[in-house]
Amino acid sequence: KQEVTQIPAALSVPEGENLVLNCSFTDSAIYNLQWFRQDPGKGLTSLLLIQSSQREQTSGRLNASLDKSSGRSTLYIAASQPGDSATYLCAAPGNGNNRLAFGKGNQVVVIP
Amino acid sequence: NAGVTQTPKFQVLKTGQSMTLQCAQDMNHEYMSWYRQDPGMGLRLIHYSVGAGITDQGEVPNGYNVSRSTTEDFPLRLLSAAPSQTSVYFCASSRDNNYGYTFGSGTRLTVV
Repeated sequence: KQEVTQIPAALSVPEGENLVLNCSFTDSAIYNLQWFRQDPGKGLTSLLLIQSSQREQTSGRLNASLDKSSGRSTLYIAASQPGDSATYLCAAPGNGNNRLAFGKGNQVVVIP
Repeated sequence: NAGVTQTPKFQVLKTGQSMTLQCAQDMNHEYMSWYRQDPGMGLRLIHYSVGAGITDQGEVPNGYNVSRSTTEDFPLRLLSAAPSQTSVYFCASSRDNNYGYTFGSGTRLTVV
């Protein structure tokens, strides 16, 4: 059974600092790994999808790395802004790609 | 494309009532899933489907039924609602193993 852990559960940073969010997973036989953003009371928005053959994926200020051998992924958010305040969720497939296992999220507050 | 559409957005049920949560996608995705999200528990998989006519149980299937008669639709049925089923329900879809998941905006269900 795939188990996903995200550390830290919550963090606050001043505006302008870089954010580093960690995700670990137990089953490294994955096709890909996906990072989502969730605002309070809202649905999940996909941020980045990293294929198992890739080591990292970038979109604007966001960069996600993947190390399958160690079962880790890291999401970097450069020069954080108050609008980055949200919960960030990491999801890794288990038993094939047809079922995702989620971490409990990193709740981020960026202080103006 | 509308993406993944969930209806209703909010619902209040009395204990013992039944209802169906609707999920439809217009992206011709084969994989569809239902999750529930509870505080402190994260997102947990209820049921999933890898194509029309094929469904399987996830982590927390008790009290829920699904069917997949078409590629587009994947309804979730609550047979006899219980207060423990108070939650936010998300439907998600994916094309195949090489693609990430797209989520609907969720249904907030309260059982009294």
